[in-house]
Amino acid sequence: EVQLVESGGGLVKPGGSLRLSCAASGFTFSSYSMNWVRQAPGKGLEWVSSISSTSSYIYYADSVKGRFTISRDNAKNSLYLQMNSLRAEDTAVYYCARGVSGSYSSFDIWGQGTMVTVSS
Amino acid sequence: QSALTQPASVSGSPGQSITISCTGTSSDVGGSNYVSWYQQHPGKAPKLMIYDVSNRPSGVSNRFSGSKSGNTASLTISGLQAEDEADYYCCSYTSSSTLKLFGGGTKLTVL
Repeated sequence: EVQLVESGGGLVKPGGSLRLSCAASGFTFSSYSMNWVRQAPGKGLEWVSSISSTSSYIYYADSVKGRFTISRDNAKNSLYLQMNSLRAEDTAVYYCARGVSGSYSSFDIWGQGTMVTVSS
Repeated sequence: QSALTQPASVSGSPGQSITISCTGTSSDVGGSNYVSWYQQHPGKAPKLMIYDVSNRPSGVSNRFSGSKSGNTASLTISGLQAEDEADYYCCSYTSSSTLKLFGGGTKLTVL
């Protein structure tokens, strides 16, 4: 079964750090671009970051540039998001999502999400 | 960059057809063939319904179709069913630094 499972969410104080992980299974992880998408409570979806299959291309939303770092380990079938200098507005459910091959804005497999709460 | 513009809500009766619009600019929807649509039920992860404007992933009902004209993309659902009641989001590749932009979402109510 094709599956993505996020972990690492939790409660953190403003200015703190958190590292999210996403474990992939059921497909050839190293062949796909991967993404992080977040959703603040009661709000819409927001793209956060993308990484190409070989980590050659990495992109960030302006709202997280300079604070978040996306990475992947193809040997471990895992995707990561290192989040530093966290702000209250980063509070959201964070989803990892697989990119559709050959497309640039499509995510065909999603994890169940992990909640990140930034609060003092 | 602001989110793509979607109506906050749409509604329809079972069996009817509805269309959800997604309006952007020439820098995103109008200049891209990479527009996708997602269905999200409460408390669940989004599900890809349409990609690259009008392509349907395997397993998605052919009652769902996508199109684009100018700076506006559209998702049409025909033969509405109760299980179609959900939030729907569009997403477009953009030529700006944002790269990928979502719409604000549309709540579909099946009456």
